[in-house]
Amino acid sequence: NAGVMQNPRHLVRRRGQEARLRCSPMKGHSHVYWYRQLPEEGLKFMVYLQKENIIDESGMPKERFSAEFPKEGPSILRIQQVVRGDSAAYFCASSPPVRVNRRVAEQFFGPGTRLTVL
Amino acid sequence: RKEVEQDPGPFNVPEGATVAFNCTYSNSASQSFFWYRQDCRKEPKLLMSVYSSGNEDGRFTAQLNRASQYISLLIRDSKLSDSATYLCVVNAYSSASKIIFGSGTRLSIRP
Repeated sequence: NAGVMQNPRHLVRRRGQEARLRCSPMKGHSHVYWYRQLPEEGLKFMVYLQKENIIDESGMPKERFSAEFPKEGPSILRIQQVVRGDSAAYFCASSPPVRVNRRVAEQFFGPGTRLTVL
Repeated sequence: RKEVEQDPGPFNVPEGATVAFNCTYSNSASQSFFWYRQDCRKEPKLLMSVYSSGNEDGRFTAQLNRASQYISLLIRDSKLSDSATYLCVVNAYSSASKIIFGSGTRLSIRP
């Protein structure tokens, strides 16, 4: 049973280009989360998606960032017109559906994509 | 006040020592609690969930104190391989499905 897959592992972009980060959740997981981690800082929640739906995007910057989780294929985090401040590690996590007793399910993380903007 | 607060450390302890971390959370209605560990430049990995009754997994013991709104992690007989950043994780009141990560406590085990 493969874990959460992310690609590419490293991505270099010049200012103004677009970055597309992909995440394939664990088998059987229908929930996907994206996080950003700046050097020497903690994880910051960005967006939570289920298949074809954005559930919570309260952590997403209002401009240039978008996310999707189509019916078929991986979840995509898209950053348009990248700037140097976008350089960070972007982690995707997945979880199974929430249990009936309202506890949230544990999240399992992919290896991350390290984005460098030149 | 931050939703989840941790002492950033670093904690520097000798191999074989016992070390404990606390983490406080602000929302009394929080339902779910976890400890993750993160090695340098790696992804976070689930260490253990934290249950109301407390739970133990080998050398690791997690406790929840709802009255004082903190969770703790105790590591006994620490190993060099325990060196990592330990992240406290609590679900946020604004969304049952959104989990808040603390900034982490850095632990360094010396020989």
